[in-house]
Amino acid sequence: DAGVIQSPRHEVTEMGQEVTLRCKPISGHDYLFWYRQTMMRGLELLIYFNNNVPIDDSGMPEDRFSAKMPNASFSTLKIQPSEPRDSAVYFCASSWASGYNEQFFGPGTRLTVL
Amino acid sequence: DQQVKQNSPSLSVQEGRISILNCDYTNSMFDYFLWYKKYPAEGPTFLISISSIKDKNEDGRFTVFLNKSAKHLSLHIVPSQPGDSAVYFCAARESNYGQNFVFGPGTRLSVLP
Repeated sequence: DAGVIQSPRHEVTEMGQEVTLRCKPISGHDYLFWYRQTMMRGLELLIYFNNNVPIDDSGMPEDRFSAKMPNASFSTLKIQPSEPRDSAVYFCASSWASGYNEQFFGPGTRLTVL
Repeated sequence: DQQVKQNSPSLSVQEGRISILNCDYTNSMFDYFLWYKKYPAEGPTFLISISSIKDKNEDGRFTVFLNKSAKHLSLHIVPSQPGDSAVYFCAARESNYGQNFVFGPGTRLSVLP
């Protein structure tokens, strides 16, 4: 298995532009997570899905952020409009259902908003 | 307020010696804990886990100890190797609260040859 795939690996954009980050989870995993890592706040959970349904989006910073999972093999995290303070590394992770299961992380997308 | 704390931002250890990474948590409802290792430009990778029904779990050179009364866990790496140099994250979950893991800020371990 190729593991969790994220694209793009790097994104540089200007303030006000729309940004879309993409994730393909490991096949067969029931849960998908979006995290953001910054120097100030460390690794924080933004939202997670179970069987394509958003379960907890309490970590989404504000309405400019939205996430979708149209099917079991694809998810997007969108920021519109983007701001310089959104600059961070965004990780996607997936895991099997319930039980004591670890999450498998993708390589991350480094976002820079100028 | 941070629910999971790793008070040492960095740690340097000589190759062959023991590395001890510490993690403290404040939520007594946390019942499952993970350690992740992260290399630069890569995502975190799972290292070892422990549930609250145990106080120790071993996997090769890696051992995690859990002290529930002190709300403290530690990761021991013996012997340490240069390839262990990475950032280590502690994560905790309250299983009744779903799949949300709360991560600590990480400790950067440097193993010196």
